[in-house]
Amino acid sequence: DTAVSQTPKYLVTQMGNDKSIKCEQNLGHDTMYWYKQDSKKFLKIMFSYNNKELIINETVPNRFSPKSPDKAHLNLHINSLELGDSAVYFCASSQAGSQPQHFGDGTRLSIL
Amino acid sequence: AQSVTQLGSHVSVSEGALVLLRCNYSSSVPPYLFWYVQYPNQGLQLLLKYTSAATLVKGINGFEAEFKKSETSFHLTKPSAHMSDAAEYFCAVSTTGTASKLTFGTGTRLQVTL
Repeated sequence: DTAVSQTPKYLVTQMGNDKSIKCEQNLGHDTMYWYKQDSKKFLKIMFSYNNKELIINETVPNRFSPKSPDKAHLNLHINSLELGDSAVYFCASSQAGSQPQHFGDGTRLSIL
Repeated sequence: AQSVTQLGSHVSVSEGALVLLRCNYSSSVPPYLFWYVQYPNQGLQLLLKYTSAATLVKGINGFEAEFKKSETSFHLTKPSAHMSDAAEYFCAVSTTGTASKLTFGTGTRLQVTL
């Protein structure tokens, strides 16, 4: 009965490849987010969706494309992976205007 | 714009000693403030939140934090540290509305020694 689940947990791939990370929440929240945590543990928001509509896009390269098929799912597709994309990506969800955000366990992406 | 400053990237305390992790915020509107904890290879878990109700907020695992508007601070404390408290702690600020987002501090690693 995991609240926010991400798959895969680990992703190791080569530079130039395209990969996707999936996120699902069963909390009934209407807002979902993607965060990036770098090697120094710094967390920064990438995207936010509210009821399948993009609300926040924080100057992320357009190689990153989020997709929300319904309000319980928010996937992240990354094209032409670069070394700098190596990080832990966290999905989160909340009720709009009412925190807190609930986080998944993260996807550790390693680019070879 | 909003921001959070966490003083001390690394804090070490003895088991049983007081834990004090510092957080100062900047926000142009009344903020919502949070403390999250991250254990190794895990996601973030909410410790406590301030949402303009009581200024002294109690959270899980014996932690509490006090909102001081005059000092723009939201420091996290625990009277007696336990070995299991060793983790990374993040302070975060948010505004409300559908475009709300969490802005995190740079984190403080808490080490607990015997």
